[in-house]
Amino acid sequence: DAKTTQPNSMESNEEEPVHLPCNHSTISGTDYIHWYRQLPSQGPEYVIHGLTSNVNNRMASLAIAEDRKSSTLILHRATLRDAAVYYCILRDRGGATNKLIFGTGTLLAVQP
Amino acid sequence: DTGVSQDPRHKITKRGQNVTFRCDPISEHNRLYWYRQTLGQGPEFLTYFQNEAQLEKSRLLSDRFSAERPKGSFSTLEIQRTEQGDSAMYLCASSSRYSGANVLTFGAGSRLTVL
Repeated sequence: DAKTTQPNSMESNEEEPVHLPCNHSTISGTDYIHWYRQLPSQGPEYVIHGLTSNVNNRMASLAIAEDRKSSTLILHRATLRDAAVYYCILRDRGGATNKLIFGTGTLLAVQP
Repeated sequence: DTGVSQDPRHKITKRGQNVTFRCDPISEHNRLYWYRQTLGQGPEFLTYFQNEAQLEKSRLLSDRFSAERPKGSFSTLEIQRTEQGDSAMYLCASSSRYSGANVLTFGAGSRLTVL
């Protein structure tokens, strides 16, 4: 599985936008980019995914670089509830296995 | 849709004892996964079921670990002769065959402490 690189931690202020970066320079053409987050004492939860085009949903936006070697998860207005570990994961669309391989993610702290 | 349920949420046991965790996935999901997570680390893949068939096992799943999904619905993860290194959060997730992106829904986990 191709690997991703994320900063260990980031800080944001409440009600401000947050841009969480992810590098995936070895991404292949069949890899989806997935983002999950894990709130304290909970299992991970799905946030968003994309292949080539930027994506928006009710939780966040995903901006994908034109060469697909990096992506950015955008939280438009951070709330205290967004404090979590955010994982950027590549999943092989055409692979035989369906597992997700997690890294250590980015710990996002949100200050009031 | 009641989500993915895991039981028990917490288990404290003495070294050498056997423990079993249960996972009830979302009812229409045919894919089921077990992960293990230790403090400060991301979840590590253990094993994957499609219906009742165990299709993949990680090298992390030593011979003391066994997982089953007998009727393609709930699953159990058993750890025999527990060791202190087995202390971790054990996470179960499920997904649907109809999810093209294979979005996983995770349970809240079962936390194991081995004394």
